[in-house]
Amino acid sequence: LAKTTQPISMDSYEGQEVNITCSHNNIATNDYITWYQQFPSQGPRFIIQGYKTKVTNEVASLFIPADRKSSTLSLPRVSLSDTAVYYCLVGEADKLIFGTGTRLQVFP
Amino acid sequence: EAQVTQNPRYLITVTGKKLTVTCSQNMNHEYMSWYRQDPGLGLRQIYYSMNVEVTDKGDVPEGYKVSRKEKRNFPLILESPSPNQTSLYFCASTPRSRSPEYFGPGTRLTVL
Repeated sequence: LAKTTQPISMDSYEGQEVNITCSHNNIATNDYITWYQQFPSQGPRFIIQGYKTKVTNEVASLFIPADRKSSTLSLPRVSLSDTAVYYCLVGEADKLIFGTGTRLQVFP
Repeated sequence: EAQVTQNPRYLITVTGKKLTVTCSQNMNHEYMSWYRQDPGLGLRQIYYSMNVEVTDKGDVPEGYKVSRKEKRNFPLILESPSPNQTSLYFCASTPRSRSPEYFGPGTRLTVL
């Protein structure tokens, strides 16, 4: 199984938009793409989920191209409290595979 | 309050001593699953259950057992723990797709 890859880290400033991309070449045809936020010593927290095109909720947007081999989590106007690790999750065949995780640091 | 609970939160044990980590959810979710998180290896699925009495292996099931006798509970059993099972474990549940929506707070296990 190919790895589901993400950038290791990203830096941003408060108020900026942050886009985190996940590459998932072997995604299963019928599976969703899900994104999570994780703070130290806590369980992952569900952010957003989508199957294709664009999904938006009160905290984020998720962009998925037609081939579904990648996805982009968009966080509008980040704040210091958005400093965390972000993971994508996709299904590959009969397995669920988490991305490698992106550590987002937001500066004042 | 919707939640997934795990017990114990921290456990130090010795090689070969059977242990059980409990997981319970109060949302009547059908789908539950277990994960381990390790530095450099990330989050990996151990086992999942689509409903009562229905369980299946995830990515790293070796050395673990699970059971689903009731909808709300999904215990993780280590019959003979070994040091390579030292890890941070998370239980999760979801009402619909197999991608977990609610995670527990985690159980940090150390096997000496």
